[in-house]
Amino acid sequence: EAQVTQNPRYLITVTGKKLTVTCSQNMNHEYMSWYRQDPGLGLRQIYYSMNVEVTDKGDVPEGYKVSRKEKRNFPLILESPSPNQTSLYFCASRPRGLNTGELFFGEGSRLTVL
Amino acid sequence: QKEVEQNSGPLSVPEGAIASLNCTYSDRGSQSFFWYRQYSGKSPELIMSIYSNGDKEDGRFTAQLNKASQYVSLLIRDSQPSDSATYLCAVNMRYDYKLSFGAGTTVTVRA
Repeated sequence: EAQVTQNPRYLITVTGKKLTVTCSQNMNHEYMSWYRQDPGLGLRQIYYSMNVEVTDKGDVPEGYKVSRKEKRNFPLILESPSPNQTSLYFCASRPRGLNTGELFFGEGSRLTVL
Repeated sequence: QKEVEQNSGPLSVPEGAIASLNCTYSDRGSQSFFWYRQYSGKSPELIMSIYSNGDKEDGRFTAQLNKASQYVSLLIRDSQPSDSATYLCAVNMRYDYKLSFGAGTTVTVRA
């Protein structure tokens, strides 16, 4: 089954404790992206990756890191989480072409930072 | 100015009525436009894509694009309770693979 898998789905952590949210897709997509979703603000892009070893900042990259060492995986790293990073996070992927706007989303990871 | 703006909701319509959702975008060179539906607690799913001016129909959904006015809309005909969700407008910016989303409009269909 074609899917994007995120883990963990739910996480409560404390300020400053490093965490990683994993994302894996099995569709051989070149493009992968992380979004955060907050009430009234919609989906905001954190980082995206056009292909292996190619990553770029989105609209809200501060406080996050990513890596793309393999095509299927695109982990999101919070080195020192803060309460303003409490949010719902989505990983998504799609084929490379410009007009292939169908993003395939993971189920989301709800993160709470105390 | 936000890159993609949607009419603020929530939008409440009676069952069987037409729900009309609007979206404007800032980049005149934007190439492709999408509507996603997101049920509460779920991830967004693509319901419509449109690339050229005019209307595109798919079942009860019609997307309308006017590039000159930088405007894209979604009409939901014969609204059903199952259409109750948040609808996200997304725009592919020019020369960029970035897909920018609006804040979403929440639709509630009253039985």
